[in-house]
Amino acid sequence: EAQVTQNPRYLITVTGKKLTVTCSQNMNHEYMSWYRQDPGLGLRQIYYSMNVEVTDKGDVPEGYKVSRKEKRNFPLILESPSPNQTSLYFCASSNRQGNSNQPQHFGDGTRLSIL
Amino acid sequence: GENVEQHPSTLSVQEGDSAVIKCTYSDSASNYFPWYKQELGKGPQLIIDIRSNVGEKKDQRIAVTLNKTAKHFSLHITETQPEDSAVYFCSGANNLFFGTGTRLTVIP
Repeated sequence: EAQVTQNPRYLITVTGKKLTVTCSQNMNHEYMSWYRQDPGLGLRQIYYSMNVEVTDKGDVPEGYKVSRKEKRNFPLILESPSPNQTSLYFCASSNRQGNSNQPQHFGDGTRLSIL
Repeated sequence: GENVEQHPSTLSVQEGDSAVIKCTYSDSASNYFPWYKQELGKGPQLIIDIRSNVGEKKDQRIAVTLNKTAKHFSLHITETQPEDSAVYFCSGANNLFFGTGTRLTVIP
């Protein structure tokens, strides 16, 4: 089954304790991205990756890091989490090829609470 | 970046009525306009999309219309059912930016 898998689904942690949210897709997609969803603000892009070893900042990259060492994985790293990073996070992937845009496939989300 | 505005933010309709959600965008280069439905506890899922070479696309009870001159596109849901209740997102700038979402409630 084609899917984007995020782990963990829920996490409560404390300020300053490094954490990683994993994301894996089994569709051989080149493009992957991370979003955060906050009430009234919709989905805002944190980082995206066009291919292996190629990553770029989205709209709200501050406080986050990513890596793309393999095509299927795109982990989101919070080196020193702060309460304003409490949010619902989504990973997505798509088969973007030039101007032939394709829909994004989303994971089921990770709810992070930073105390 | 691209500015995608979505209205309304909430919408309540009686079962069987129609629902319309509208989005405007600013990037003239946009040529792909997907709509996503997000159910509780799930990630957004594509329900319909349209490319700039057509003005309308329909899939059963769901349709999307596109006006490239005015830079707006709309989602139309006819004969609404309770299972249509969800948050709907439009996307612009070729699927890179999202509207702020519309919470649709269909009242039985």
